[in-house]
Amino acid sequence: AQSVSQHNHHVILSEAASLELGCNYSYGGTVNLFWYVQYPGQHLQLLLKYFSGDPLVKGIKGFEAEFIKSKFSFNLRKPSVQWSDTAEYFCAVNGKGGGNKLTFGTGTQLKVEL
Amino acid sequence: DGGITQSPKYLFRKEGQNVTLSCEQNLNHDAMYWYRQDPGQGLRLIYYSQIVNDFQKGDIAEGYSVSREKKESFPLTVTSAQKNPTAFYLCASSTPGANYGYTFGSGTRLTVV
Repeated sequence: AQSVSQHNHHVILSEAASLELGCNYSYGGTVNLFWYVQYPGQHLQLLLKYFSGDPLVKGIKGFEAEFIKSKFSFNLRKPSVQWSDTAEYFCAVNGKGGGNKLTFGTGTQLKVEL
Repeated sequence: DGGITQSPKYLFRKEGQNVTLSCEQNLNHDAMYWYRQDPGQGLRLIYYSQIVNDFQKGDIAEGYSVSREKKESFPLTVTSAQKNPTAFYLCASSTPGANYGYTFGSGTRLTVV
């Protein structure tokens, strides 16, 4: 079975601070990895995804994530956050061979203060 | 515009009543999913369907039922057997294969009183 852990449940940052949200997964085989974002009052949107190749993937709005296979991690980063980045962020994993079922982490609430 | 429509946005029901949540997509996606979102617990998979007339239980299927009679539609029934039905329910769809993310609907918030 696949599982995802997000260790930071609530993060508060000031504008222009750097962001790193942790994500670790558990699965014995090849995985696809995703980060989704849910802005207040909006539906979940795909931020970025990793399938294969370059382990550093870039997504929308200046976000990036690095897949480190040896650490089973897929941490999300942004060099300088903005107030508009206030949202809930979900990491998700899809183990190949398990269909297209996504398993989500518990989410991280990010609040960016002016 | 293509997308997923969930209705209604808010739903109130009395305890002991079954209730059906609607999910319709016009993206021509084969696969559809139902998730439940609770604070601090992320999204948990209830049921999913890869093709019409076929569906599988997810991680928390007890107390729920689904049907997939049309490609576009995947309604979820929350039965009286579901012990804690008050939650935010999200429907999603995707194209076949493991390389695609999901498109999500805007969700239905169900409150059982």
